[in-house]
Amino acid sequence: AQSVTQLGSHVSVSEGALVLLRCNYSSSVPPYLFWYVQYPNQGLQLLLKYTSAATLVKGINGFEAEFKKSETSFHLTKPSAHMSDAAEYFCAVRNSGGYQKVTFGTGTKLQVIP
Amino acid sequence: DSGVTQTPKHLITATGQRVTLRCSPRSGDLSVYWYQQSLDQGLQFLIQYYNGEERAKGNILERFSAQQFPDLHSELNLSSLELGDSALYFCASSVGTNDVEQYFGPGTRLTVT
Repeated sequence: AQSVTQLGSHVSVSEGALVLLRCNYSSSVPPYLFWYVQYPNQGLQLLLKYTSAATLVKGINGFEAEFKKSETSFHLTKPSAHMSDAAEYFCAVRNSGGYQKVTFGTGTKLQVIP
Repeated sequence: DSGVTQTPKHLITATGQRVTLRCSPRSGDLSVYWYQQSLDQGLQFLIQYYNGEERAKGNILERFSAQQFPDLHSELNLSSLELGDSALYFCASSVGTNDVEQYFGPGTRLTVT
C-alpha cells in the first residue's frame, strides 16, 4: 500500500520568507511523487513531479522539492514566499510499477502574511 | 486553464435525489478520473475510465456510478443522495491509461440539503 503524510494542515509564512511544506511517503516499491497546488475555487494544478530521474526537482512558480529515499521525504520549498503563493498544497504518491492509482495527502494550506 | 471542463459548477439538491455530473477531458486524452474532495476525507479517488472502459476503482460508493461515452466525455451519477455526499467533485484526464500526470478540471460543488 502507498500513502503520504503531510505535516501541518496550516502553515503561515511572511512574504519573502522561506516556504517549507513537509511530505513523507510510504511505498513498497520506488514511488512517483507529486506536488499539486489548489487555488481557491479551482482545480488542482501540478507543481512538480519526481519520476526517478534527478532527486532535486524544479517546478513552476519557483518551487522545488527533493526526493530523499533515506528519509522517505519529498518536502516542497521556495526560497521567498509571494502573496500569490497562498493556496492549498497537496503531496501525492503513485507506485512506479504497472498501473497504480494516485494517493493524495490531506493537504497543507499556506498563508502568506504581508 | 487545464483544458478539462466540468458542468455544472454548482449543484444544490435534496437528500434522496439523483444528480449527474459531466466532464469533458482535454483534447486527445483517453483517460478520465473522478475524485471527491470533502473536508473530513480529503481528496479521494473514485474511479477511472480509459477509452470507454472502466480501468480502476477506488472508494466509490455503490450509489455512485460513472461511464465514459464514445466521444470520451464522462458522467458521474450520484443517487439516493445523503448529506455526507456534499463535496467538491473533480474530474481529471490524461493521455494514456497509466500516465504520471493528470490534468484537473475546476470541479463541481455539490450541496445536499
